[in-house]
Amino acid sequence: EDQVTQSPEALRLQEGESSSLNCSYTVSGLRGLFWYRQDPGKGPEFLFTLYSAGEEKEKERLKATLTKKESFLHITAPKPEDSATYLCAANTGGFKTIFGAGTRLFVKA
Amino acid sequence: DTGVSQDPRHKITKRGQNVTFRCDPISEHNRLYWYRQTLGQGPEFLTYFQNEAQLEKSRLLSDRFSAERPKGSFSTLEIQRTEQGDSAMYLCASSTPGQQTYEQYFGPGTRLTVT
Repeated sequence: EDQVTQSPEALRLQEGESSSLNCSYTVSGLRGLFWYRQDPGKGPEFLFTLYSAGEEKEKERLKATLTKKESFLHITAPKPEDSATYLCAANTGGFKTIFGAGTRLFVKA
Repeated sequence: DTGVSQDPRHKITKRGQNVTFRCDPISEHNRLYWYRQTLGQGPEFLTYFQNEAQLEKSRLLSDRFSAERPKGSFSTLEIQRTEQGDSAMYLCASSTPGQQTYEQYFGPGTRLTVT
């Protein structure tokens, strides 16, 4: 069965303390690996798509990387406004996108 | 382009009542998806439209749930005889028909509370 697992469930950082979020996936035929940011009470906001192992994408303090089994979202020198839930999702073709449960990130000033 | 919109943003209803939610996708997107999200979980797929055709429904979508997308534009999701277990955030997303582009863009969601 296709599965996406994110860890840790929650992460508390001090402002400026860099860290990484993990997304492990077990799917048949990955077509794309997505990262989303979700603020409380709002819909997910698209961040990145990664298509193949070795690919990296960056946006401001965020960098996403992909291997054959995992994806990492690296957060460099985070700020309080980076506090949110980060969702990882695997697309196996067409409409089939499976989401992980997310990592809740708290950044304290 | 104003993005995906959903209406209402919040709905409180009594058990047994029917509710209907509306989603307006990004105008050039022909693919539309409905998801349900409960606290602490990621979105769970409910159903998928390509243009006006409903091509896939999850087993989560009981016979109390029905979705339509007339003319391939906006979509509605109706829940009949609501139950307390239906309380959740209902999310709509849309995507373009490109070969490699499967990214889905989400609306703000409709928060349903069944009392």
